[in-house]
Amino acid sequence: QKEVEQDPGPLSVPEGAIVSLNCTYSNSAFQYFMWYRQYSRKGPELLMYTYSSGNKEDGRFTAQVDKSSKYISLFIRDSQPSDSATYLCALQNTGFQKLVFGTGTRLLVSP
Amino acid sequence: NAGVTQTPKFRILKIGQSMTLQCTQDMNHNYMYWYRQDPGMGLKLIYYSVGAGITDKGEVPNGYNVSRSTTEDFPLRLELAAPSQTSVYFCASSPGTNNEQFFGPGTRLTVL
Repeated sequence: QKEVEQDPGPLSVPEGAIVSLNCTYSNSAFQYFMWYRQYSRKGPELLMYTYSSGNKEDGRFTAQVDKSSKYISLFIRDSQPSDSATYLCALQNTGFQKLVFGTGTRLLVSP
Repeated sequence: NAGVTQTPKFRILKIGQSMTLQCTQDMNHNYMYWYRQDPGMGLKLIYYSVGAGITDKGEVPNGYNVSRSTTEDFPLRLELAAPSQTSVYFCASSPGTNNEQFFGPGTRLTVL
């Protein structure tokens, strides 16, 4: 079983839709949960950073962590064509340098 | 601040050739990382460093070597290139453990 599972997509939605992106994981020691956005032929950039369980909101983006289910989500409200990118979840243990990445979900938002 | 810079942007190698991928950061970060990204496979850690003179293996270190003589630079060396090393390589840096990692723009390497 992979440490982190993420549907590769592509996920195609119309502009204005609410998007839900998800990852599941197997290691209960993960405490730090991140979402990176990667545009085509660019490096990943951090979008959301959450410690432990709960929700975090930043503008149109909301990150949720459910440690009991080992499930994390990223919601995008009022999606825009500029949101078209690959979204990677990344998880980390406390005190560890290494990030464990999901494979990424490709999102396409059409005008 | 330029952030994390990588050179070259693209490179084609023949089997058996060697090359060095350069990575420099100007944020005075102690931690630096090398990843490779293959289609549908996410990012895999090759090597990382927690400071000048200190390096350690990641998930997929075979066929690669690194050195860290300064805080700013973290070059990745490929010896005897193989087709399996065809990938996009990303360098990243971080101020510490459990902090955001800042990524460079990547180097696209093809080995033929």
